Amino acid sequence: EAGVVQSPRYKIIEKKQPVAFWCNPISGHNTLYWYRQNLGQGPELLIRYENEEAVDDSQLPKDRFSAERLKGVDSTLKIQPAELGDSAVYLCASSLSRTGFETQYFGPGTRLLVL
Amino acid sequence: GNSVTQMEGPVTLSEEAFLTINCTYTATGYPSLFWYVQYPGEGLQLLLKATKADDKGSNKGFEATYRKETTSFHLEKGSVQVSDSAVYFCALMDSSYKLIFGSGTRLLVRP
Repeated sequence: EAGVVQSPRYKIIEKKQPVAFWCNPISGHNTLYWYRQNLGQGPELLIRYENEEAVDDSQLPKDRFSAERLKGVDSTLKIQPAELGDSAVYLCASSLSRTGFETQYFGPGTRLLVL
Repeated sequence: GNSVTQMEGPVTLSEEAFLTINCTYTATGYPSLFWYVQYPGEGLQLLLKATKADDKGSNKGFEATYRKETTSFHLEKGSVQVSDSAVYFCALMDSSYKLIFGSGTRLLVRP
C-alpha cells in the first residue's frame, strides 16, 4: 500500500513569492492534516480536514496561508506571499478518522527555504 | 495549555547499551500518549502508543509506560542497535484530537 505522497520534496524561493505544496493521502483515509516543523522542533498542526471540510484551522495564518482539499482526497497548501520565517518542513499526514485510536501516517515532507 | 517536554539530545550510545529518553507532559484530563520516530530522510512513523494510565506500549524492542502520577511516558530499550539512530518525538493527543509534539531527541548509536 502506498504511503502519503508529497511534492515537491524541496523548494527554494525568494521572499514575497508564492509557493504551493501538494499531498496525496493514503487511499480511504478521511482525515488529512498539514503540519509545520521548524528546525529543531516538533511538528505543529496547521489545519485538519475531515473529508472536504476544514474542521480545525485555528493555527493557520490566514493572512498568507490557504489550503484546500477538493473532493476529499488530494490537498494543496499555499503560501502567498512567503516570508523568511516560513522556512520549515511542511508535513502532510492522514488517518482513517480523527480519533486517538487511529494512527496518523506522515509523508516525507516538503522542505521550504525562503531567501 | 497542553505541552510535552523531552530530554535534549543528542543522545550518543554504543551498540547494545540501554536507552532511556525522558518525556513528561502537561495536559487536562487523560490524553493518549505516543512516541514517533523519524529515520534520516524518512517521514515520521508511529513507534508505540498508550491510551490510558498504566498502559504499556511496545514495538521493535522499545517500551513506554503511561504514568499518570508522574505525568511521564519515558521511552526505553534494553539493547540499542546502529539502525535505531533517528530522532524520537514524544506526543500527546488532546481532547480535540490534535497531536502536540515535543521538540524531539536525536539518538546516535555507534558500532
